[in-house]
Amino acid sequence: QQQVKQSPQSLIVQKGGISIINCAYENTAFDYFPWYQQFPGKGPALLIAIRPDVSEKKEGRFTISFNKSAKQFSLHIMDSQPGDSATYFCAASEGGTYKYIFGTGTRLKVLA
Amino acid sequence: DAGVTQSPTHLIKTRGQHVTLRCSPISGHKSVSWYQQVLGQGPQFIFQYYEKEERGRGNFPDRFSARQFPNYSSELNVNALLLGDSALYLCASSPVAGAGGEQYFGPGTRLTVT
Repeated sequence: QQQVKQSPQSLIVQKGGISIINCAYENTAFDYFPWYQQFPGKGPALLIAIRPDVSEKKEGRFTISFNKSAKQFSLHIMDSQPGDSATYFCAASEGGTYKYIFGTGTRLKVLA
Repeated sequence: DAGVTQSPTHLIKTRGQHVTLRCSPISGHKSVSWYQQVLGQGPQFIFQYYEKEERGRGNFPDRFSARQFPNYSSELNVNALLLGDSALYLCASSPVAGAGGEQYFGPGTRLTVT
């Protein structure tokens, strides 16, 4: 019940295309859902986050879509660029805690 | 403003030894959390500290311990190192405890146990 399932494991997208990464969870007590970007040898960097009272949040080229009834959320990267090539992690935390449960990661490669 | 800083950057230890990793949070942040990231996997929660008190603990053995100092910096200690402890250890800071929300990660300490 504490898992966050992330897919796909890897993704290859052409420059200018849309990258879509999906996550699903079971624990209905989760109330905060961030996405992180991680480059090799670096720590995860916060991209964008959402709470369950909102169905969509957009920041620049990054959009989170949230479906509370299906217990799913996704990251859309519009106009994907080679510099977006990195590993992306979804996460969830419960009830005002900072204990993040991370997904397994998606390795994105954007072809020039 | 400086982000989360961690030291050392890399560390090589032998099985059975102990190790101390250090973290300084973003200025003004009072909560520090520690995560272990094994290669190819997502980070796993180890501890959260706020105002020098443990506020959360993940599913890690008692060989792992941590503490937070009055200046909000933190140490993670691991005793009796095992080969499986080889990982990237990440520290994350956040403004307050109990509210949930954003955490900001440091660059990590790469620990190799031989």
